[in-house]
Amino acid sequence: GENVEQHPSTLSVQEGDSAVIKCTYSDSASNYFPWYKQELGKRPQLIIDIRSNVGEKKDQRIAVTLNKTAKHFSLHITETQPEDSAVYFCAARRVTGGGNKLTFGTGTQLKVEL
Amino acid sequence: DVKVTQSSRYLVKRTGEKVFLECVQDMDHENMFWYRQDPGLGLRLIYFSYDVKMKEKGDIPEGYSVSREKKERFSLILESASTNQTSMYLCASSLTGGQYFGAGTRLSVL
Repeated sequence: GENVEQHPSTLSVQEGDSAVIKCTYSDSASNYFPWYKQELGKRPQLIIDIRSNVGEKKDQRIAVTLNKTAKHFSLHITETQPEDSAVYFCAARRVTGGGNKLTFGTGTQLKVEL
Repeated sequence: DVKVTQSSRYLVKRTGEKVFLECVQDMDHENMFWYRQDPGLGLRLIYFSYDVKMKEKGDIPEGYSVSREKKERFSLILESASTNQTSMYLCASSLTGGQYFGAGTRLSVL
């Protein structure tokens, strides 16, 4: 099955700096890669996603890049703010006989310090 | 807005009890999922369903079963709860893209 590895497990940056979180996946047939943000005590929320026919996608201060050959994708957050502090999860969708099944990375705890 | 509702935020059960966790979504999504979330392990898929009465095992189905009798409702069942099933349980639903999560049920098995 699919295996998703995520690094680093914790990341501390100064406010205004950039943050990068990296994920690798094992199944070359995976074709959809969402990123989720989970604030303390809250549910995971989809913040950005990318499909395998696209190399990069941006939404204001966040961007995701995908390298299909190397089977890795990354989340980039620019001009970080304290409200960006959260746990971030990457995921990859396996192609299966039915459904829309995601395999998640183990998460990155991002702390933005003032 | 997609709404995924889990019936309980906190639940305390005894070892050996049968436990039902309920999840309801209001967006007519085909796919529904149950995950458990543990520190350092991320979100692990227990079971999912892509249609009424259809179910597939996820990565950690042992000790769990599910029921999907109606499209909007997906239930997770712990036949005989054990202490190692103490965890946060998250339900999610989706069409073809990203999944939308419920608020979670924190289950403690004593």
